[in-house]
Amino acid sequence: EIVLTQSPATLSLSPGERATLSCRATQILGINLAWYQQKPGQPPRLLIYNASKRATGIPPRFSGSGSGTDYTLTISSLEPEDFAVYYCQQRSNWPPLCNFGQGTKVEI
Amino acid sequence: QLQLQESGPGLVKPSETLSLTCTVSGGSINTTDNYWGWIRQPPGEALEWIGSMYYTGSSFYNPSVRSGVVISVDMSKNQFSLKLASVAARDTATYYCVRRTRPRSGFDSWGQGILVTVSS
Repeated sequence: EIVLTQSPATLSLSPGERATLSCRATQILGINLAWYQQKPGQPPRLLIYNASKRATGIPPRFSGSGSGTDYTLTISSLEPEDFAVYYCQQRSNWPPLCNFGQGTKVEI
Repeated sequence: QLQLQESGPGLVKPSETLSLTCTVSGGSINTTDNYWGWIRQPPGEALEWIGSMYYTGSSFYNPSVRSGVVISVDMSKNQFSLKLASVAARDTATYYCVRRTRPRSGFDSWGQGILVTVSS
């Protein structure tokens, strides 16, 4: 089973600052990685799929990068609405099993 | 625009079977390259993928979620469902139905979620 480890658990930043979130896998993932944003009381929203592609309607301040076992979500300049919990998620090639990291909370 | 809506009981007794349905609107379940699945989130905890079903009917489940999980589809109603047998308190969670489109790695459509509490 592939395990995803996100770091840090909590990131304390101010609006306008750059946020860098990490997701490390126990096996090579290729491009099979996605990132989500979740706010209290809401379902998660897909931000990034296939490691670096922005989902529909996601602003360009969100970017995904990485390969192999190390991946990064970067928010170039935090907006007030960006303070939330972020999850990474992987999908195996075959069988197409999925799992999530434990999340990173970005707080003011 | 595709919309997913979960329905089912909000309270289930221990050892009973949890049954949820997801109704899909704005698109057909019987569409090439779509996986339909379930993800849950215990209160205050992280997301956990339960399983997915390809539009052809093939199902894949999280081995970390114990046996007794079944995802099935009703094409005539444009719905898919989740059954989780012999539930316990640890199965208390918000359950989301989701869609993933191959070959994308992420779930791009989510229901609003339904809180299911396991308690006598």
